[in-house]
Amino acid sequence: NAGVTQTPKFQVLKTGQSMTLQCAQDMNHNSMYWYRQDPGMGLRLIYYSASEGTTDKGEVPNGYNVSRLNKREFSLRLESAAPSQTSVYFCASSERSGRTDTQYFGPGTRLTVL
Amino acid sequence: GENVEQHPSTLSVQEGDSAVIKCTYSDSASNYFPWYKQELGKGPQLIIDIRSNVGEKKDQRIAVTLNKTAKHFSLHITETQPEDSAVYFCAATLTNQAGTALIFGKGTTLSVSS
Repeated sequence: NAGVTQTPKFQVLKTGQSMTLQCAQDMNHNSMYWYRQDPGMGLRLIYYSASEGTTDKGEVPNGYNVSRLNKREFSLRLESAAPSQTSVYFCASSERSGRTDTQYFGPGTRLTVL
Repeated sequence: GENVEQHPSTLSVQEGDSAVIKCTYSDSASNYFPWYKQELGKGPQLIIDIRSNVGEKKDQRIAVTLNKTAKHFSLHITETQPEDSAVYFCAATLTNQAGTALIFGKGTTLSVSS
């Protein structure tokens, strides 16, 4: 099992460009999450998907959109990137939401917006 | 919504000493409190968790305590080793009609010197 995989590992964008961060899990988990990590700010929840077909906003959703493509895949889109979105982005998954199950994290995508 | 405060932000100890990291949360409905360890360049990994019906849990050199009345929980690492050096995050649950997600503290950078 690969667990949670994320692509790309690194990305540099110019202000105003768009891109999609990809996440996939092979653990048959129902719930998936996107976080961003900034120095001194910990992990902040952007969006999550409790189950296939549902998504909901987290703490910092502005400037992002998500798509739960199927049970395995959960993508994060930046429509018009801004320097404030420079961060490390982590995807995570858990067996189910509404219960207290472990979240498994991917290796992260380091994004720089110039 | 849920708010998680974590202290200290940095902690330096000598090998063999104990380390304690403390967190407080705001939502009395939170019922699950995991601790994650993040090594440089990697995603966070769960090291221990505690549920609201338990006051203390141990796993070898690691223990977590929970005081629901005071809404705080702590991570205790005994006999610290250099490989314990990492960033540690506490988290608490955030629940709404869409499901349950985790809200993280801002992290504690633990340095263990030999």
